[in-house]
Amino acid sequence: SAVISQKPSRDICQRGTSLTIQCQVDSQVTMMFWYRQQPGQSLTLIATANQGSEATYESGFVIDKFPISRPNLTFSTLTVSNMSPEDSSIYLCSVVTGDQPQHFGDGTRLSIL
Amino acid sequence: SQQGEEDPQALSIQEGENATMNCSYKTSINNLQWYRQNSGRGLVHLILIRSNEREKHSGRLRVTLDTSKKSSSLLITASRAADTASYFCALNSNDYKLSFGAGTTVTVRA
Repeated sequence: SAVISQKPSRDICQRGTSLTIQCQVDSQVTMMFWYRQQPGQSLTLIATANQGSEATYESGFVIDKFPISRPNLTFSTLTVSNMSPEDSSIYLCSVVTGDQPQHFGDGTRLSIL
Repeated sequence: SQQGEEDPQALSIQEGENATMNCSYKTSINNLQWYRQNSGRGLVHLILIRSNEREKHSGRLRVTLDTSKKSSSLLITASRAADTASYFCALNSNDYKLSFGAGTTVTVRA
C-alpha cells in the first residue's frame, strides 16, 4: 500500500491564524481526500482534492475556510483558515487507487488557543 | 451520504476473549471497510469486504457482510492488550468517498 506522509503531525496555533497541512504520497494515486475528526468523534469528509482543479467540498465545508490544493497525483495541501477553538481536531488525508482500500496518513492534531 | 451505525459504543473484555462489533447501514454499498485507530492516531486499514462477498478473514479478524440485512460484523478472536483501540466501519457507495460509523471503543483487560 502507498506510504503517506502528513506534516505537521501536531501544532498549537493562535486563533485567527491559518495553518497549511501537507500530504505526500510515495506513488501516484487516483483520489485524495481530507477528513476531520473532532474530539471524541468519528471522521467527517471535508472534501475531495482534485488534481489540477478546484476541490469538491462536502456540505458544511467551504473553500474560504478550507482551501485545498492538489498540484499533482502525489501531493495535496489543506489550509485551515482564520482558526477558532472549534477547529481543534485531527485532520487526516487519505488516498485510494482503483478499487483498493483507502489508506490514511497519521493525521495532524491541531489545537487552537 | 449515509453513515454506518455501530454497536456497541464500547466493549470491555478480558485478554483471550473474542470481541464482536456490528455495523448497520441503510442504502446499497459498493464495499465496506473496517479500520482501527489507536488513541487518536491515524487509521489503520483492517479489511475491505465487497458487496458480493459474505465473509473475509485476516489473521485473527473475521468480517461478515449480509447485504439483505444491510449489516456487517467484525470479530476479533483471542484478543490481546494491543487490540485496545477504536474500530470504525466505513461505507463506500461507488464514489470512493467513505462514510464512517461512530466507532466502537474496545478495551482489552490483561
